[in-house]
Amino acid sequence: GQQLNQSPQSMFIQEGEDVSMNCTSSSIFNTWLWYKQDPGEGPVLLIALYKAGELTSNGRLTAQFGITRKDSFLNISASIPSDVGIYFCAGPYYGGSQGNLIFGKGTKLSVKP
Amino acid sequence: NAGVTQTPKFQVLKTGQSMTLQCAQDMNHEYMSWYRQDPGMGLRLIHYSVGAGITDQGEVPNGYNVSRSTTEDFPLRLLSAAPSQTSVYFCASSQRPLGTNEKLFFGSGTQLSVL
Repeated sequence: GQQLNQSPQSMFIQEGEDVSMNCTSSSIFNTWLWYKQDPGEGPVLLIALYKAGELTSNGRLTAQFGITRKDSFLNISASIPSDVGIYFCAGPYYGGSQGNLIFGKGTKLSVKP
Repeated sequence: NAGVTQTPKFQVLKTGQSMTLQCAQDMNHEYMSWYRQDPGMGLRLIHYSVGAGITDQGEVPNGYNVSRSTTEDFPLRLLSAAPSQTSVYFCASSQRPLGTNEKLFFGSGTQLSVL
């Protein structure tokens, strides 16, 4: 079935460092979404990507839709303490649960001031 | 701006007890869904609804029931709680079933422990 593989599982970085994480799939996706979950809260959409090769920014965050349509990348520049949280990639389910999202297992980011 | 409201925030149950997790949205969204989040497992879809009176199963539906009698509310029922249902539960909604350009809005979650 569909699966999204996120890496790394966790990251411990120093404030000011840049961060890179990625998400891969064995099947093609037409949409890639990146969510962030703050501790004790629900996920919030950061960036949505709709076209292969697309590069989209949201402040210090930049995400790319891979050319093969089987991967996506999220970069955070000059990290700050409030970047702490879990970052999820997501894409549309195909098949039996159309109209729903499938999520990766998340990358947990810790930032040391 | 209420958005998606979940109650309760925390709940402890004994094995075999039943309870209902409440979810309400005030955005007139057609689509609503329930996810559970377990450590290292990400978010897994339990049930979803594409409109009042219409529900369907997601990836992990066993042990849970849902109904959608109104557009606003989408309660999740645990008929006989089991320790394996210890998790954080999230309700989410979007204007329409998810496709291009739809955004999913999440509630703040219910942390459930089953002893």
